[in-house]
Amino acid sequence: KAGVTQTPRYLIKTRGQQVTLSCSPISGHRSVSWYQQTPGQGLQFLFEYFSETQRNKGNFPGRFSGRQFSNSRSEMNVSTLELGDSALYLCASSLMDSYNEQFFGPGTRLTVL
Amino acid sequence: GIQVEQSPPDLILQEGANSTLRCNFSDSVNNLQWFHQNPWGQLINLFYITSGTKQNGRLSATTVATEHYSLLYISSSQTTDSGVYFCAGIMDSNYQLIWGAGTKLIIKP
Repeated sequence: KAGVTQTPRYLIKTRGQQVTLSCSPISGHRSVSWYQQTPGQGLQFLFEYFSETQRNKGNFPGRFSGRQFSNSRSEMNVSTLELGDSALYLCASSLMDSYNEQFFGPGTRLTVL
Repeated sequence: GIQVEQSPPDLILQEGANSTLRCNFSDSVNNLQWFHQNPWGQLINLFYITSGTKQNGRLSATTVATEHYSLLYISSSQTTDSGVYFCAGIMDSNYQLIWGAGTKLIIKP
């Protein structure tokens, strides 16, 4: 069974640009969660999607958004990038919701210059 | 909100040593998970444990839900065990994992 995949793995952008990251969950998993990991703040929850609906959102500005497609694949978008958005963005999938065991992808490492 | 504290923050051991990592929660959590993050950033699932003890090879985990803590035991450490170990649990009211700050483990040959 294939694991969680994330694309791209590495990304370099400049301030003010926008970026879209993609996550494909494990086959059969319907819940996708996104996390941001930085050295200073650790792992922080961004949002969780189930059946194309955002069920929960963390404490991030509106520049961070996401969506989920009917095949459970998910994308997150960050607009008007800031230097502080440089981070490892991790996607996790679980069977039905976050109460189930979560499995993580390799992450997308975003650098904002 | 629920706070998660991990100890120790850093641990340096010789190969072959045993170690115990601790995770304290400020309140009840559900479905606690332990992860190992390798140097490339990949989070590897170690245990998914609400209460009791689970074992997987040289690793085992014990969660005492009534006392709001969990322990991860690593026996006969190997250099490949190096990395950061995280615990995380689910809050009752939200669909999100609450994370500890991690324990950075270095195993020297």
